[in-house]
Amino acid sequence: QSVLTQPPSASGTPGQTVTMSCSGSSSNIGNNYVNWYQQVPGTAPKLLIYRNNQRPSGVPDRFSGSKSGTSASLAISGLRSEDEADYYCAAWEDSLSGWVFGGGTKLTVL
Amino acid sequence: EVQLVESGGGLVQPGRSLRLSCVVSGFTFDDYAMHWVRQVPGKGLEWVSGISWDGRSTGYADSLKGRFTISRDNDKNTLYLQMTSLTAEDTALYYCAKALDILWSAYWGDSWGQGTLVSVSS
Repeated sequence: QSVLTQPPSASGTPGQTVTMSCSGSSSNIGNNYVNWYQQVPGTAPKLLIYRNNQRPSGVPDRFSGSKSGTSASLAISGLRSEDEADYYCAAWEDSLSGWVFGGGTKLTVL
Repeated sequence: EVQLVESGGGLVQPGRSLRLSCVVSGFTFDDYAMHWVRQVPGKGLEWVSGISWDGRSTGYADSLKGRFTISRDNDKNTLYLQMTSLTAEDTALYYCAKALDILWSAYWGDSWGQGTLVSVSS
């Protein structure tokens, strides 16, 4: 069982906006930054968002992150078929002095 | 172009050891911390270990129980993961990943290798 909780699945149609959540506690999300990673099946993960809402260069502004209290969210606007992937949140866990991931959300573009 | 290439995976018997390597290019290796992440096929990501730019600071997932050791050789642009007392639960695809900072406790993951598969079985 993951320290961070993500819904196992999400879906949307092209053009829609989809939001997925990541729930934690005061010792991880509540006190630290959140990163988001995208993993297209069969490929390595890719960093989408770091420090809650920062996009690395090359990541489209259709992807946005936010954090409130002990939860974080990733929003994808203007959904495209190529966005179909697994999405993982991660945060520093104070009690473990290490990083923890959520279990991942599988996004299906209908 | 940033490249990370893992190697050293393979089939190993329970209780044995294995050393993974990650050779990097395209960036100044000793300017950044590095990480290892693993993924059981069909399952989620699990952070394994991180190391600071100079190798002096390291961290590990609690689940490893002290069996793994991360290290780096900045002269060879290479990251290592020494794994001992391997069990079937260590069977996974192991990725190395670059940080965006000198510290492994800061944000990371802007570049990843393609992974090396470790299978532990008798």
